[in-house]
Amino acid sequence: SQQGEEDPQALSIQEGENATMNCSYKTSINNLQWYRQNSGRGLVHLILIRSNEREKHSGRLRVTLDTSKKSSSLLITASRAADTASYFCATEPTSGTYKYIFGTGTRLKVLA
Amino acid sequence: DADVTQTPRNRITKTGKRIMLECSQTKGHDRMYWYRQDPGLGLRLIYYSFDVKDINKGEISDGYSVSRQAQAKFSLSLESAIPNQTALYFCATSDFGTTGNEQFFGPGTRLTVL
Repeated sequence: SQQGEEDPQALSIQEGENATMNCSYKTSINNLQWYRQNSGRGLVHLILIRSNEREKHSGRLRVTLDTSKKSSSLLITASRAADTASYFCATEPTSGTYKYIFGTGTRLKVLA
Repeated sequence: DADVTQTPRNRITKTGKRIMLECSQTKGHDRMYWYRQDPGLGLRLIYYSFDVKDINKGEISDGYSVSRQAQAKFSLSLESAIPNQTALYFCATSDFGTTGNEQFFGPGTRLTVL
């Protein structure tokens, strides 16, 4: 069964706007990671947040984690056309260390 | 990521045929994974291996088998391919050590079973 589900499934914004996508999961986790996938290609790691952290930043990316709600959000600020991709969250459950369970993804389209 | 390669990149085969997908890595990682991706379902774990002598089933291992020939090589086989195994297959690696290691993905193999 799918551990993580992203919301929304698809998002279309104008260049320069912020993009926010959310991930909900079901079980306790050690950490949560966000990945980007350009059309049909392999996933690329963006950022990791551990279960004892609430917020992480990396460049234009901001990730939050709320373990009480079992949810995370990824914010991309000042989006660019090159940010057009699918974004996936991946969780490492405490019951399955070193295994990663991916969500269903959010397809982001940034219009120039 | 050029450090993780997959062959073939595309494959069309017929129902009942045996297919092998190969993955090689030069990252020196101990952990290797096979995933399949279907539209709207994200990535699902098929098998994973934490070292040469360690093989574990993932979420959807039925109809698949794997072989870890060396630290750098991890192959996925479909013994008798069926149409619902049509998907995009990814190999990934991660380093040994603490939890939360980044996974490095290969470019994927697009498999079509007719």
